[in-house]
Amino acid sequence: DTAVSQTPKYLVTQMGNDKSIKCEQNLGHDTMYWYKQDSKKFLKIMFSYNNKELIINETVPNRFSPKSPDKAHLNLHINSLELGDSAVYFCASSHPARGRENGYTFGSGTRLTVV
Amino acid sequence: GEDVEQSLFLSVREGDSSVINCTYTDSSSTYLYWYKQEPGAGLQLLTYIFSNMDMKQDQRLTVLLNKKDKHLSLRIADTQTGDSAIYFCAATSGAGSYQLTFGKGTKLSVIP
Repeated sequence: DTAVSQTPKYLVTQMGNDKSIKCEQNLGHDTMYWYKQDSKKFLKIMFSYNNKELIINETVPNRFSPKSPDKAHLNLHINSLELGDSAVYFCASSHPARGRENGYTFGSGTRLTVV
Repeated sequence: GEDVEQSLFLSVREGDSSVINCTYTDSSSTYLYWYKQEPGAGLQLLTYIFSNMDMKQDQRLTVLLNKKDKHLSLRIADTQTGDSAIYFCAATSGAGSYQLTFGKGTKLSVIP
């Protein structure tokens, strides 16, 4: 069973389109995250949700909107896609109350290419 | 806020030891982690160290923590080609929160 699963794994789309990336975790974690990894492999936190409530919202364009329908899901919707949005997007989850030694658990990533 | 720094590249010969270094700025960081990212994959937790420890060993991996200098290192003994990957250092930010700040990652290349 995959712990943190993201769909789709690859996404190629044209500039100006709207797209969504879905994330689901079956670990019973209470906190979920979205990270962006650029072409240099640098990781940047975008959003964090705890029990469906937004707790971190870094400086990202408001074209990016996270949605958490329940604790196990955190989706990322992107409007009016731009070339600079091309990156790998990672979903992650954690549950600090169970022990911080577990860190974050990451999904395998969604490679978004905007053409 | 927390800042985590790592060198970007390291090249070693197969069978040698690799040492990847990391520095962080927040002295209240309680947990420090090492993650491994293989090509096309997500980040996988390798090991962690709690701030009241100065060393932790797990098979071929040894983590050293110098809390005074806010310096963390990961030593991989008998490095193999399968160890070629990007290694990320991460530190918890702030005493009361649980937010991880990641370094930029060190790309380890193992030469056969």
